[in-house]
Amino acid sequence: GAVVSQHPSWVICKSGTSVKIECRSLDFQATTMFWYRQFPKQSLMLMATSNEGSKATYEQGVEKDKFLINHASLTLSTLTVTSAHPEDSSFYICSARDRSYNSPLHFGNGTRLTVT
Amino acid sequence: QQQVKQSPQSLIVQKGGISIINCAYENTAFDYFPWYQQFPGKGPALLIAIRPDVSEKKEGRFTISFNKSAKQFSLHIMDSQPGDSATYFCAASIAMNRDDKIIFGKGTRLHILP
Repeated sequence: GAVVSQHPSWVICKSGTSVKIECRSLDFQATTMFWYRQFPKQSLMLMATSNEGSKATYEQGVEKDKFLINHASLTLSTLTVTSAHPEDSSFYICSARDRSYNSPLHFGNGTRLTVT
Repeated sequence: QQQVKQSPQSLIVQKGGISIINCAYENTAFDYFPWYQQFPGKGPALLIAIRPDVSEKKEGRFTISFNKSAKQFSLHIMDSQPGDSATYFCAASIAMNRDDKIIFGKGTRLHILP
């Protein structure tokens, strides 16, 4: 079945540094990928929709200069958390949908970010 | 109108019992209703999904019941097993084949007692 690979699975960084998270669709092409943030015991909060070859669409309240999204190819989207602060610590999850008709959404295994 | 309301927030079921999780929506334009299963530290995995043109879909021990007029749908897990202990999210979207975002419920933490 379709696989979405997310890397790294966990990362610890110091306050003020930037962290890049990769999301790859391994066996299908995804024109659109989604980035979510999930706090402990809570639901997934959509941060932005990443479109291949164009600018990402950010949800209300999500700082686009803080969370930089690049979707350079049909199989790769990246989320960069810039100038990270402890409040950015969270579980970040990406998802992608095969560009073919009637395909479901597949999720990566998430990235646990801890900012010290 | 974009919300999907999920209940209960948490559920404890004896092994072998039936687990039932309910969801309700308002937007009648929703036409795709998936359920996701998430284990701690992992991303959600698609469990089963239904479209509004059918009232029930069954895959193994998992069944979705859909009531279009009531705008409600539910997940039934038959013969619940300890390995089913996870968080379950219902969701809804418009036109699965396009790039529309999926709206998630708040999740149900299910614990199956051994």
